[in-house]
Amino acid sequence: DTGVSQDPRHKITKRGQNVTFRCDPISEHNRLYWYRQTLGQGPEFLTYFQNEAQLEKSRLLSDRFSAERPKGSFSTLEIQRTEQGDSAMYLCASSSLGVGYGYTFGSGTRLTVV
Amino acid sequence: QKEVEQNSGPLSVPEGAIASLNCTYSDRVSQSFFWYRQYSGKSPELIMSIYSNGDKEDGRFTAQLNKASQYVSLLIRDSQPSDSATYLCAVRPSGNTGKLIFGQGTTLQVKP
Repeated sequence: DTGVSQDPRHKITKRGQNVTFRCDPISEHNRLYWYRQTLGQGPEFLTYFQNEAQLEKSRLLSDRFSAERPKGSFSTLEIQRTEQGDSAMYLCASSSLGVGYGYTFGSGTRLTVV
Repeated sequence: QKEVEQNSGPLSVPEGAIASLNCTYSDRVSQSFFWYRQYSGKSPELIMSIYSNGDKEDGRFTAQLNKASQYVSLLIRDSQPSDSATYLCAVRPSGNTGKLIFGQGTTLQVKP
């Protein structure tokens, strides 16, 4: 197992376009998380899945954002009608169940909206 | 009030010194606490976790938790230039959630 994989590493898109990111978690991990991080800030929670169920979604997440985790394996995060304010690093992480488990993060996808 | 607060720094210490990084949190019944290290341009990596009041040591790192004061800290002994990074405090809030709430991070600079 090579850890959490994210694809692509970088994405440049024009404002108004849709983008989709993929995350492959550590295979033994039941939980998968999406975060967004901008320069000088800590990661901001977007949503998380336990197996295929999306258990929680940030109130800050607009309806332009959607995430899926079909069959409880990989996950995709789609942003529709991108805006310049969406430019950020999108981080995926996975963990085992239990309050004591921390996350293993992927390398992230850096999105630039021009 | 932010849910997890850290001084953004930078905190500058000489090589070999003890670096002390602090974090406060607002949810009194938060369950577990984590410290992550993030090098510039990289993703966060887990250093330590702590759940009970007191100290927990792992090599040069010691995490300290005081739930009554809603305070968690990370001590780095014998600081090395390679420890220069941003340190993120993360808190798992109360309730049945897997979510972690992160502070904004403290930048540590260890000068040779």
